[in-house]
Order: sequence, then structure tokens, then C-alpha cells
Amino acid sequence: AQSVTQPDIHITVSEGASLELRCNYSYGATPYLFWYVQSPGQGLQLLLKYFSGDTLVQGIKGFEAEFKRSQSSFNLRKPSVHWSDAAEYFCAVDLDYNTDKLIFGTGTRLQVFP
Amino acid sequence: DGGITQSPKYLFRKEGQNVTLSCEQNLNHDAMYWYRQDPGQGLRLIYYSQIVNDFQKGDIAEGYSVSREKKESFPLTVTSAQKNPTAFYLCASRPLAGEQETQYFGPGTRLLVL
Repeated sequence: AQSVTQPDIHITVSEGASLELRCNYSYGATPYLFWYVQSPGQGLQLLLKYFSGDTLVQGIKGFEAEFKRSQSSFNLRKPSVHWSDAAEYFCAVDLDYNTDKLIFGTGTRLQVFP
Repeated sequence: DGGITQSPKYLFRKEGQNVTLSCEQNLNHDAMYWYRQDPGQGLRLIYYSQIVNDFQKGDIAEGYSVSREKKESFPLTVTSAQKNPTAFYLCASRPLAGEQETQYFGPGTRLLVL
């Protein structure tokens, strides 16, 4: 079955440190890929998306993600984390281009220490 | 301002009671979606609709019902058949399926059982 794995449930970093959140998917073809961020009690905000082309995509708030086909991965990165980045991050894949049904990972909660 | 509104922010349900969650969008999006979010489980698709007067079951439709009488509105009813309704419910919308677009999320409704 198709699935999305975010192996890190909880990550803690110091403000100013670099960040990498992992995402792997299980699917034969290349899906559309997304990263969303959610603050407590809020909806989801799109950080970035990959449909095709350049495998390094830039998003909002200084985030970027790299699609690696050989590893079925779409890891999210940020060179220097700010305290306001503390939130929950979800990776999602779109396997059905006609209905756009998204499959979400279980999320990674990011905590930032000053 | 264009966007997706969900009401109420908090909703309380008594045993055996049906409750309806509202989702309205003024983005002129064709497709609308309902997700359920539980801690540690990410988001799971309940129902989705691509056009007015048509909708399809998602992965966890049992105990829920929807209608799509207007393009702007996609209300979700949590029926008494849903034995574990306590969760955070998120509504999303997107332009016509098949294009390289993304889903946009509302702020969510938290449903609690009394």
C-alpha cells in the first residue's frame, strides 16, 4: 500500500541551528510532493511543493526541500532555525492526479530552544 | 479576503447526537475535502467532492455524511454512528483537479464529546 513515513516524531534544535526533517514515500511512480506546517490549534499552511523539474525546491519562510528519486525521499531543510519555526510539520504525497487525494505522514513536531 | 472558513471553532456533542461542521470557501475552488486529525496519526480523508451535487468517500467515511449543494459550501455531519468523534476536523479546497495545484486548508474545528 502507498504510504508516507516521517521517522522523527519529535525534533529539538537550538535557535540558529540547521534543520532537516525526513520524509520517505512508498510508491512506484513519482508523486506530487508537499510539505505543510501547522501551528497548535490551527490549519495547515503550505511550505513548498514538488511537481516536476528541478529536484531542489524553495518554499516560504526560508525552507527548501530536495526530491531524491533513488531514495524515495523529500526531506525538508532550513539552514538556520528561528524560534517561530516551532510547529508540527507534515509531508504529503498526491498519488491520484485526477482527484488530488493526499496521503499524509504522521508529522514531526519541532521544538526550538533559545 | 479570500479563504476558507470553518465554524464553529469548538463543538460539543452529546451521546447519540448528530452535529454538523460548517466549511465555506470564497476562492471559487471546485474541489473540497474533509480530513480528520488525531494525535500521532496525521490527517485522514473522510469525504471529498469535485463538483456540486457529487461526492466520494475517503478512507474513514463510516459515521459521517456530507452534502455539496453549493460550490462554496461542504458541510460535514458527524452522526451518532461515529463512536469516537473526538478529533480536530480540517476542511480543504483546491482548484479543478488535474491541474498542478495544491489544497488550501481552513482553520479547523475541534469536536469534543460530553
